[in-house]
Order: sequence, then structure tokens, then C-alpha cells
Amino acid sequence: QVHLVQSGAEVKKPGASVKVSCKASGFIFTAYILSWVRQAPGQGLEWMGWINTYNDYTDYAQNLQGRATMTTDPSTSTAYMELRSLRSDDTAVYYCARRNWGGMDVWGQGTTVTVSS
Amino acid sequence: QSALTQPPSASGSPGQSVTISCTGTTRDVGTSNSISWYQQHPGKAPKLMIYEVTKRPSGVPHRFSGSKSGNTASLTVSGLQDEDEAVYFCSSFAGGNIFFVFGTGTTVTVL
Repeated sequence: QVHLVQSGAEVKKPGASVKVSCKASGFIFTAYILSWVRQAPGQGLEWMGWINTYNDYTDYAQNLQGRATMTTDPSTSTAYMELRSLRSDDTAVYYCARRNWGGMDVWGQGTTVTVSS
Repeated sequence: QSALTQPPSASGSPGQSVTISCTGTTRDVGTSNSISWYQQHPGKAPKLMIYEVTKRPSGVPHRFSGSKSGNTASLTVSGLQDEDEAVYFCSSFAGGNIFFVFGTGTTVTVL
């Protein structure tokens, strides 16, 4: 079975960093691009960026202003998303998702990140 | 980047049809065949329902269908069932350094 399993919830103070992991199973990790999407409480989906797991090429959403870094560890089929200089409006559920057919066909369970002083 | 525009809500009685629009521009929906639709129930991750404008992943009921005309894509749910009550999001590839964009989301209520 194809799965993406994410790390657990995080609580961070403003200005800190958070790193969320996403472990893949059931498919060839390096054959797909992995996306990161976030959803603020009661809001819509926001694309953050994606990483080509074969060559580590990345694209990021402009509004992250260079605060996000996406990486992979193919030896463990795990992707990571680090977000720095956290602000209160970064409070959201963060999802990883497999890009396929121009959409996202497999999603992780989500990781809640709360930014609060 | 601006989100694609969807109506905030739509509704229908069981057995009826509901159509949700997703309006973009020539920089995204109008020039992309990578239009997808997702269903999200409360507290759950989104689920892919339609990809490449009209295609259904395995396991998605035939009552879900997609189309596109110009800068607007649409999702139609025919024969509404109670379990179809959810929030639906569209998405599209976008040109330039925007790359990818989601719609604003539509809450579908089964009356």
C-alpha cells in the first residue's frame, strides 16, 4: 500500500524553526515529485513548493520569501520541509503529497504546527 | 500568488446534481491540462477526485466528472449522496514562477 507518514505535531515560538518529515512507503521514492501544502485553520489549501526526489531540484512559492527549504533522504525514503523565522500566521496543518498526473494523488496525514509565544 | 476563484458554497438534495466552477486566467487554467479536483472532509487530508481535467483515479465514483472551457474548470457531482458533503478544491499548474495554485474552496452541502 502506498503511504506517506508525517512527523508529529509541533509547538514553536515566533522566530524559531520547524522541520517536518514525510516518510514514503509502497512506491519508488525517487520516481515522484513530492509537494508540500499547508492549510491555516479554517482556510484553504496553499501550495508551498515541491522537490524532485531524483535530483533534489526544488520550486518554492514566492510568498515564502526564502524561509522554506525542502530536502530528501533517499536512503530512508523521507522528505523534509524546514520553515524558518516562524510567525503566528504560519500556524497551520502541513501536508506532504505525491505529485502524479499533474495533481496530488497521495497525501500524508498532516502535521499541525502551532506558532505561539 | 492569487488563488483560483470558486464559489464559497453549493448545495443540492440527494440524487440531484451540483456543479462547482473554478475560474483562473490564461496563465493557469486557460493554458493548463493539469487541472485537478480534491475532496476534503473535516479533519481529513484532501483526496484526489479528478486529474487532467476529466480523469478519475481508481476508486472514485463515476458520478464525479470534470470539464473545462476557457479559463474556467468545473466539477459536477451527479446523483448527490450524503457522503459527498465536503469541501472541494481545484488546482492548476501555472506559468512563470507561480508554478502551482489551488482554488479558494467550495463547501458542498447535501440538503
